[in-house]
Amino acid sequence: AQTVTQSQPEMSVQEAETVTLSCTYDTSESDYYLFWYKQPPSRQMILVIRQEAYKQQNATENRFSVNFQKAAKSFSLKISDSQLGDAAMYFCAYRSGAGNMLTFGGGTRLMVKP
Amino acid sequence: DAMVIQNPRYQVTQFGKPVTLSCSQTLNHNVMYWYQQKSSQAPKLLFHYYDKDFNNEADTPDNFQSRRPNTSFCFLDIRSPGLGDAAMYLCATSSTPLSTDTQYFGPGTRLTVL
Repeated sequence: AQTVTQSQPEMSVQEAETVTLSCTYDTSESDYYLFWYKQPPSRQMILVIRQEAYKQQNATENRFSVNFQKAAKSFSLKISDSQLGDAAMYFCAYRSGAGNMLTFGGGTRLMVKP
Repeated sequence: DAMVIQNPRYQVTQFGKPVTLSCSQTLNHNVMYWYQQKSSQAPKLLFHYYDKDFNNEADTPDNFQSRRPNTSFCFLDIRSPGLGDAAMYLCATSSTPLSTDTQYFGPGTRLTVL
């Protein structure tokens, strides 16, 4: 079974600074997808960024980028120019290429200080 | 515009009293998912519908059932809630069950069991 681990229960960052959230996963599959989801307090979970395992190039979405290290099974999220609205719970998630179940990590609570 | 809607946002029930949570979507997606998210934990998939086909996760308790009367609506029924069933219940949808398809989440229903 696949597992996803987020080793940082909480992180804080100063507004306008850069922060990196860590995620590692364990799988024996070669075809899979990785996601970062953001869950603001009392609001719905939204997709931040996704990465296909077969792609070597790291995904980027505006201020959000990932560092995907397939051999190390690492998938970290970098948030540049942090904004107050970035404060949320961030979940790393894995999805098998053959399946439809998302396996989530335990989450990292990000606080942004003004 | 709301795409995945969950009602109610907060639900209180008594130990052993059946409760139904509701999810509706305006995306016309074929797949609807129910996740359970306990406090400070990652969401865990309970089951999903692909059209009318019901797919139960192996470790989902029998106490949890689901109905999908049409494309737009999906219900989570908890037959005899226990204290351990207190959690946030998240509904999500995707166009297809393919791994490439993004899952869109609703805001969740927080269930309290007294």
